Amino acid sequence: DQQVKQNSPSLSVQEGRISILNCDYTNSMFDYFLWYKKYPAEGPTFLISISSIKDKNEDGRFTVFLNKSAKHLSLHIVPSQPGDSAVYFCAASAWGSGGGADGLTFGKGTHLIIQP
Amino acid sequence: DTGVSQDPRHKITKRGQNVTFRCDPISEHNRLYWYRQTLGQGPEFLTYFQNEAQLEKSRLLSDRFSAERPKGSFSTLEIQRTEQGDSAMYLCASSFGRGYGNQPQHFGDGTRLSIL
Repeated sequence: DQQVKQNSPSLSVQEGRISILNCDYTNSMFDYFLWYKKYPAEGPTFLISISSIKDKNEDGRFTVFLNKSAKHLSLHIVPSQPGDSAVYFCAASAWGSGGGADGLTFGKGTHLIIQP
Repeated sequence: DTGVSQDPRHKITKRGQNVTFRCDPISEHNRLYWYRQTLGQGPEFLTYFQNEAQLEKSRLLSDRFSAERPKGSFSTLEIQRTEQGDSAMYLCASSFGRGYGNQPQHFGDGTRLSIL
């Protein structure tokens, strides 16, 4: 049972345009959401996060939107650049009963390709 | 600025052998996580330490797996009697946390394990 779903395995966007990556989740206990970017042979690199008390967070070209009622979040990249070509993972966590943050639950990733 | 460091980067071993991986977190981080990633999947949570205490363990962590974090600094993940299904990328992540409040996890570049 996948609790975090990224339904688009790949996405192709022209350089300079907006890239929109989508993520859906099913676990209503999730209260912290993150996006990671991954290049081949490297570990995931943290991009941006959002707490469930917010519906939007911006950092430079990256904006994450959270719709709690729809259990949906999205990552917007504006403008898209060639270096943005990578696999993007959506991740979520819930505050565990052990008093610490649970491990992250990841989606399967979306391969973003920026076309020149 | 040193990030999360993992050693070795690659490990090839025969089925049935024991292997041990090491992770050095970012120095001021008190939380340390282990994940496993297979082809086409997102990372899957294995276990989590706060300082030297192992607080969460996934059902993915069978009896053949053991993790330690002596003195709350570096961590080791040992797999005994390796099986073909253990072939994967093993990722370590760390974060800083105090009380309630989420902080992003930062990942190392992983150890790729291949079982012959």
